Amino acid sequence: DAGITQSPRHKVTETGTPVTLRCHQTENHRYMYWYRQDPGHGLRLIHYSYGVKDTDKGEVSDGYSVSRSKTEDFLLTLESATSSQTSVYFCAISGQGSSTEAFFGQGTRLTVV
Amino acid sequence: SQQGEEDPQALSIQEGENATMNCSYKTSINNLQWYRQNSGRGLVHLILIRSNEREKHSGRLRVTLDTSKKSSSLLITASRAADTASYFCATAIYNDYKLSFGAGTTVTVRA
Repeated sequence: DAGITQSPRHKVTETGTPVTLRCHQTENHRYMYWYRQDPGHGLRLIHYSYGVKDTDKGEVSDGYSVSRSKTEDFLLTLESATSSQTSVYFCAISGQGSSTEAFFGQGTRLTVV
Repeated sequence: SQQGEEDPQALSIQEGENATMNCSYKTSINNLQWYRQNSGRGLVHLILIRSNEREKHSGRLRVTLDTSKKSSSLLITASRAADTASYFCATAIYNDYKLSFGAGTTVTVRA
């Protein structure tokens, strides 16, 4: 298995609180991605990174920010959590962007109450 | 919006039968990838087919790509209970780092 770890694996938080999810990789891959998965929607891209301090928005980026200060870590922050952000969040890594396969973490189940 | 869309949404078959699912997409692609997701787990890459390829095989998996119809199919032969999972296609377009996923096909293999 690719060395990719998400933390926490489960979290329950209250509406309006900030939340940070962490993705850590040991593969030295350049590209990292955050997706959310909701029933009927498949995976939707939130943000991605193509290098240290290089990030860009995906299709559902509103309400989310990211940071990548080191190759191995990609953080996803919900500035002020809302119930609509209840979802399963997946981190993925890739050595050559979309030209090659992506490796996924085990996911973080986030519930906003 | 999602680039790829799988069909059917759900599929139930008997062990030993073949399972076929399709993926349609909207714009020209660099490659198309198929992933499997077991319940409660992350996605696992199955196969990648490039735009200049028409067919690829990997074990019991066969993927076809028809760029003129903007569609791909995934065939799982001689299915097993362990093949029970959701299957997603993902498309990559040129000069873009991102993959765009469809909503997936849920396959149930009955013993």
